Amino acid sequence: EAQVTQNPRYLITVTGKKLTVTCSQNMNHEYMSWYRQDPGLGLRQIYYSMNVEVTDKGDVPEGYKVSRKEKRNFPLILESPSPNQTSLYFCASSPAGLAVSNEQFFGPGTRLTVL
Amino acid sequence: AQSVSQHNHHVILSEAASLELGCNYSYGGTVNLFWYVQYPGQHLQLLLKYFSGDPLVKGIKGFEAEFIKSKFSFNLRKPSVQWSDTAEYFCAVKWTGNQFYFGTGTSLTVIP
Repeated sequence: EAQVTQNPRYLITVTGKKLTVTCSQNMNHEYMSWYRQDPGLGLRQIYYSMNVEVTDKGDVPEGYKVSRKEKRNFPLILESPSPNQTSLYFCASSPAGLAVSNEQFFGPGTRLTVL
Repeated sequence: AQSVSQHNHHVILSEAASLELGCNYSYGGTVNLFWYVQYPGQHLQLLLKYFSGDPLVKGIKGFEAEFIKSKFSFNLRKPSVQWSDTAEYFCAVKWTGNQFYFGTGTSLTVIP
């Protein structure tokens, strides 16, 4: 089944404790992205990646890191989480290129609480 | 700067009522346009998309949207809503760069 998976689905942590949220897709998509969803703000793009070893900042990259060492994986790293990073996080992937629809496929979300 | 506006934040309708949700984006040029739906507790799913051709786009579950280039709009419509349409709806735009921009979402509640 074509899908985007994220782990963990739920995470409660404390300020300053480094964490990683994994994202994996099995559709051979070039483009992958991370979003955070907050009430009244919708989805905001954190980082995206056009392909392996190619990453770029979205609208809200502060406090986050990403890496793209393999095509299928795109982990989100919070080196020193703070309470304002409490949010619902979505990973997404899509085919890249001008000839395709750029439709994104979303993972199930990770609800992160930073105390 | 690129931005996407959804002016209806909360909409409450009775079953069988017609629905129209507004979506406007900040400027023209080549755009790919999307509507996503998020049912309670679930992840986002694509309802419909436009990137060229007929400006009236039909999607899943009886939804449609019309791209009006002169108004920078991509409004979502459904002639008769059902209780199962209760969800949050997001408009998204991709210009020629590599970023996607989402609106703040519209929460739709359909009363049986």
